[in-house]
Amino acid sequence: DIQMTQFPSTLSASIGDRVTITCRASQSISSWLAWYQQKPGKAPKLLISKASSLESGVPSRFSGSGSGTEFTLTINSLQPDDFAIYFCQQYNSHWTFGQGTKVEVK
Amino acid sequence: EAQLEESGGGLVQPGGSLRISCAASGFPFSSYEMSWVRQAPGKGLEFISYIGSGGSNTKYADSVQGRFTISRDNTDNSLFLQMNSLRAEDTARYHCARLHPIFAYMDVWGKGTTVTVSS
Repeated sequence: DIQMTQFPSTLSASIGDRVTITCRASQSISSWLAWYQQKPGKAPKLLISKASSLESGVPSRFSGSGSGTEFTLTINSLQPDDFAIYFCQQYNSHWTFGQGTKVEVK
Repeated sequence: EAQLEESGGGLVQPGGSLRISCAASGFPFSSYEMSWVRQAPGKGLEFISYIGSGGSNTKYADSVQGRFTISRDNTDNSLFLQMNSLRAEDTARYHCARLHPIFAYMDVWGKGTTVTVSS
């Protein structure tokens, strides 16, 4: 099975900050990586697919990059609505997830 | 707008059974592959089961193989997960998720239903 290592587990940030979350795959997954946002009691929301393709309706301050085994999610100019948990998912071989990153108020 | 809504969670004793459901709306359910994903308290997300659009092709995580059965009713736009021989470690919030028709990432999720296995 492909293991996904995501870090940091918690990130403290302020409004307007640029934040970066990293996901590392245990073997190459090409660009078959998605990023999701989850808020308490709500359904996870797809932000990015194929490592860097922004979903329709997702603000442009979100961006994804990487290929192979190393991937990043960047949020430019953090907004109040962005405090949430973010997780990555590989779909190259079945589906596995990173452990999640909680973006909290500094 | 595509939506998924889970139901049927609850408290069940170890060794017991439970069937949870997922109602789909806003998209042609019979054309999409579907999945179940769970999240135990304080843990990350775990894929547990997949079903093809027609219902004949299924996959399971090793952790639930032989105990859980995924099924669907395309006439009723519903997805099901029959869970038998439940264990404390099956305690989690269970989400259904739709798979993108080409690239197979999970593009629409439900809020989830909570299953608690405890005596």
